[in-house]
Amino acid sequence: DTAVSQTPKYLVTQMGNDKSIKCEQNLGHDTMYWYKQDSKKFLKIMFSYNNKELIINETVPNRFSPKSPDKAHLNLHINSLELGDSAVYFCASSLDARGKLFFGSGTQLSVL
Amino acid sequence: AQSVTQLGSHVSVSEGALVLLRCNYSSSVPPYLFWYVQYPNQGLQLLLKYTTGATLVKGINGFEAEFKKSETSFHLTKPSAHMSDAAEYFCAVTINTNAGKSTFGDGTTLTVKP
Repeated sequence: DTAVSQTPKYLVTQMGNDKSIKCEQNLGHDTMYWYKQDSKKFLKIMFSYNNKELIINETVPNRFSPKSPDKAHLNLHINSLELGDSAVYFCASSLDARGKLFFGSGTQLSVL
Repeated sequence: AQSVTQLGSHVSVSEGALVLLRCNYSSSVPPYLFWYVQYPNQGLQLLLKYTTGATLVKGINGFEAEFKKSETSFHLTKPSAHMSDAAEYFCAVTINTNAGKSTFGDGTTLTVKP
C-alpha cells in the first residue's frame, strides 16, 4: 500500500486550461502539504492543512486552490494554467506539524 | 523565520570515498533538522532527523549527521560512498512556532564515480 499517493503522475496541458491533482494518504496523519519543485530542483511549500483546516498559505497566485474534503485527502486545483506553472508538484503528510514528511511520488505538470 | 544553506550544489566523490554534504541553518528558536534524499523521478524520503537529545544522529543507508549548535550546522556524512548513493540531497529545518512549515535548502546533487 502506497502511503502517500497522488494522481496523475504526468499532466500535459495547454495554457489557459484548468486542471486538478489529487492526493491521498493512508497513514492517519493530521497534516498534509503541497510543495512545488521547479526545474532547478528548488522545493517550496505552497499550502499546509491540519485536520482539513488551512494553516499555511504561502505567496501563491489565487489560481491555485487547495481543497481538503477530509484529513486523508488534499487536492490541488489550478485555474488558467500558465507556462510558469510547469513544475513537479509534491503532496506530503506528517503526523504533526514538526514531524518528518512523507512525500508522494510527484505530479509532473507541463504547460504548453 | 528560518533558513537553510547547503554549501555546494554539486558534490562528486569516488566510490568508497567519504561523503560530506554541508548544511547550515538559521533559526531564532531551537530547530528540528532533517536530511531527505530524492532519487530520479521520485519523491523525497527521510534519511535522518534531529529533534532533541543526542547530537549525532544515524539514519538509513549508513548516513549520519551531527547537530552543532555553536556552528549552526547539520552536515551529512557517510564513510564510504556507494554508486547507489547518487541522488539529490536536501537539508530542511522546521521550528515549533511555524505550524509545520519546513524550509528546504536548494539541494546538493551527489555524483559517485566508479
